Amino acid sequence: GAGVSQSPRYKVAKRGQDVALRCDPISGHVSLFWYQQALGQGPEFLTYFQNEAQLDKSGLPSDRFFAERPEGSVSTLKIQRTQQEDSAVYLCASSQVRQGQGRETQYFGPGTRLLVL
Amino acid sequence: GNSVTQMEGPVTLSEEAFLTINCTYTATGYPSLFWYVQYPGEGLQLLLKATKADDKGSNKGFEATYRKETTSFHLEKGSVQVSDSAVYFCALSAPQGAQKLVFGQGTRLTINP
Repeated sequence: GAGVSQSPRYKVAKRGQDVALRCDPISGHVSLFWYQQALGQGPEFLTYFQNEAQLDKSGLPSDRFFAERPEGSVSTLKIQRTQQEDSAVYLCASSQVRQGQGRETQYFGPGTRLLVL
Repeated sequence: GNSVTQMEGPVTLSEEAFLTINCTYTATGYPSLFWYVQYPGEGLQLLLKATKADDKGSNKGFEATYRKETTSFHLEKGSVQVSDSAVYFCALSAPQGAQKLVFGQGTRLTINP
């Protein structure tokens, strides 16, 4: 009965460095979401996967952000050439149902706090 | 587009006080509405939800009613405890598409003994 896990929990990067953030969803969950939460703000949607297919990436702020979920389970969010404005908490969430099948609860991981210096 | 507006914080109350945190939304169609809570040092947890007009979500003494006529989903609790201190987020998911959540900015609640 493990929940959503994310790693690392904290990441400090120098400006220009590439980073990779990992999300392990709840086993069997079809849908996976990434959100970005700036300090003192609510989370904002980045991208959505249904199994291995990335069906919505409308929230990715630039082409430096890339996400994948090659086997429909673990997902990685990669940020290339990090900038100071990328500093935020990156949240992963998963849910059981497919797009359009209903309003299933999203379960969130603890987040990865990224600080770009 | 879809959006959520929450009562600005921080909110500080004494134990056993009555709590209301206001939330209004803008959306096309009939979204689902949620309250999530973030306790210190922990991840976001679903507190309650409602999926259609006039539904009432409830959990741990908290309640919120989906009011389509006023596009609101205000969170209430009759008697707060110190352990309720957290950040509360109102959110919606649109009826179509990927069910991505649109969040308000959050309200930090502190309960003093």
